[in-house]
Amino acid sequence: GAVVSQHPSWVICKSGTSVKIECRSLDFQATTMFWYRQFPKQSLMLMATSNEGSKATYEQGVEKDKFLINHASLTLSTLTVTSAHPEDSSFYICSASALRGLGYTFGSGTRLTVV
Amino acid sequence: DAKTTQPTSMDCAEGRAANLPCNHSTISGNEYVYWYRQIHSQGPQYIIHGLKNNETNEMASLIITEDRKSSTLILPHATLRDTAVYYCIGHYSGEKLTFGTGTRLTIIP
Repeated sequence: GAVVSQHPSWVICKSGTSVKIECRSLDFQATTMFWYRQFPKQSLMLMATSNEGSKATYEQGVEKDKFLINHASLTLSTLTVTSAHPEDSSFYICSASALRGLGYTFGSGTRLTVV
Repeated sequence: DAKTTQPTSMDCAEGRAANLPCNHSTISGNEYVYWYRQIHSQGPQYIIHGLKNNETNEMASLIITEDRKSSTLILPHATLRDTAVYYCIGHYSGEKLTFGTGTRLTIIP
């Protein structure tokens, strides 16, 4: 079945540094990937839609200069949290669709802790 | 995405069938009903989806009312590993997903 691999699983970084999270579709090509953020005991919130070869589409309230998304190939999208602060600590999840009509496959998530 | 309403939480005894309801009265004619679940600290997992007809796969069954205003996800023999938050989402194929609060299902030993 369709597999989405997300790395790293967890990361701790110092305030002010940048962190890159990778999302790979292992056995299918994904022209579109989605990035979500989830705070403790809350639901997933869509941050942006990542489109291969073009600029990402950000949801309202999400700072595009802070959350840089690059989708340079059909199997890889990256999310870079720039100048991270403690309030950016969260669970970040990516997803992609292997085939239309078959639902979305999600990565295992990345727990980011900014200290 | 169609607006959906789900109970906040439910309990089910291990080995029994878990029936999770979802109201999606505003769903449009071409929107599918998708069910996902999220086990603690993991990414969501696709379970099943349907348009009009009832569906069954190795994980669950999906019963959609004839008017498509509601549906029920059935886990036929719940196990402790089925403890998770279950999300019902109405959306078009390829459309971005909007997650509601879901139903926190707890399987009781």
